[in-house]
This record gives sequence, structure tokens and C-alpha cells, in this order.
Amino acid sequence: NAGVTQTPKFRILKIGQSMTLQCAQDMNHNYMYWYRQDPGMGLKLIYYSVGAGITDKGEVPNGYNVSRSTTEDFPLRLELAAPSQTSVYFCASSYSALYNEQFFGPGTRLTVL
Amino acid sequence: EDQVTQSPEALRLQEGESSSLNCSYTVSGLRGLFWYRQDPGKGPEFLFTLYSAGEEKEKERLKATLTKKESFLHITAPKPEDSATYLCAVQEETSGSRLTFGEGTQLTVNP
Repeated sequence: NAGVTQTPKFRILKIGQSMTLQCAQDMNHNYMYWYRQDPGMGLKLIYYSVGAGITDKGEVPNGYNVSRSTTEDFPLRLELAAPSQTSVYFCASSYSALYNEQFFGPGTRLTVL
Repeated sequence: EDQVTQSPEALRLQEGESSSLNCSYTVSGLRGLFWYRQDPGKGPEFLFTLYSAGEEKEKERLKATLTKKESFLHITAPKPEDSATYLCAVQEETSGSRLTFGEGTQLTVNP
């Protein structure tokens, strides 16, 4: 099993550009999450999904959008990149709310200039 | 609002020097407390889940304990390869699967 995979690993955007961060998992997990991590800070939840077709906002959703058309994939969309979105983005998945050990991908380091 | 505070922010130990990391939390009802290890440039790696006060879990040189207000991660006779940032997170009973993370403790173990 590959676990949770993320692409790209690094990206530099200009202000106002858009991009999609890709996330996939092969563990047949129902729940998936997007977090951002700023230097020296903990993880902040952006969006999460409890199953295909169901998404909900986390703590810091502004400036982002998500979709979940399949169990395996959970892409994160940045529509108009801003310098405040410079961060490391992690995707994670878990089996359920009861068995909630979250398994993380390797991260995408995004810089907006 | 759930709050998670980890201390110290950074800890430097000599190889073999045991110590503990603290995670204090404020939630209305705890469903679970999670410990993760994060190496530089990588995603967090799951270590333990604790569900109720008095529970303990061990893995190699690490032992996690839980009370009603805090959790400790005890590191016994650490080695340089234990150097990492340790994160704790809480899952509140009414928050579904959402976790609230602390800011982490950066542990350095010198040979």
C-alpha cells in the first residue's frame, strides 16, 4: 500500500494564480482531511470529508475549495492565491470517527509570491 | 473551544537522559487523545491513541499516559534517532472526527 500520496511536493505560485493540490489514499478510508502547517505552528484543519460527495469546512476554509467524487481522491483547490496561503499542506485519512487514527501524506510546500 | 497546549516548546537531551513532554487540554468531553511524531520535511506519523484517564501505551522507548486534564509522553533512555517534533491532538466527543492539534515539542537528543 502506498498509503496517502500528495502531488506536487513543491510549488511556487504568483499572487492571483490558481492551482489544485492532489491527494489520494489506497486504504479504503472513508474520512479525509486537509491541513495547513505554518512554521512553528500546529496543524490547522482546512476542510474534511466523511465520504464521497460529502465535505465540510474546518477551522480555516477561506480561500480554498474541495470536492470528493471518489473514496480515494480528495483534491484541494486554491482559486486566487495570496501570500497568506504560503504554507505546508498535508492531506490525511482515517477509517472512521470512532477509529480516528489519521494517516498523513508527505505534504506539499507552497510558496505564493 | 477546544484548546491544546504542549510544553516545553523545545527540549534538548543527552543520549540516555530520560524526560517527559506535556500536553494539557481543555475539552468538554474527550473522545480520544493522539500523539504523533513529525520529522523535518515529512508528514506526521501516528504513535498512540489514548481514550480514558489512567490509560497507558508503550512503544519502544516511548510511553504515553493520560489524566483528565493532560497527557505525558515519557521518553526513556532516548537515542539521537528519537529527535523529532512530537505533536498531540484531541478529539472532542461532539466534533465528529475533527482533531485539534497542539503546536508541538521539538525534541533534540545529542549523542
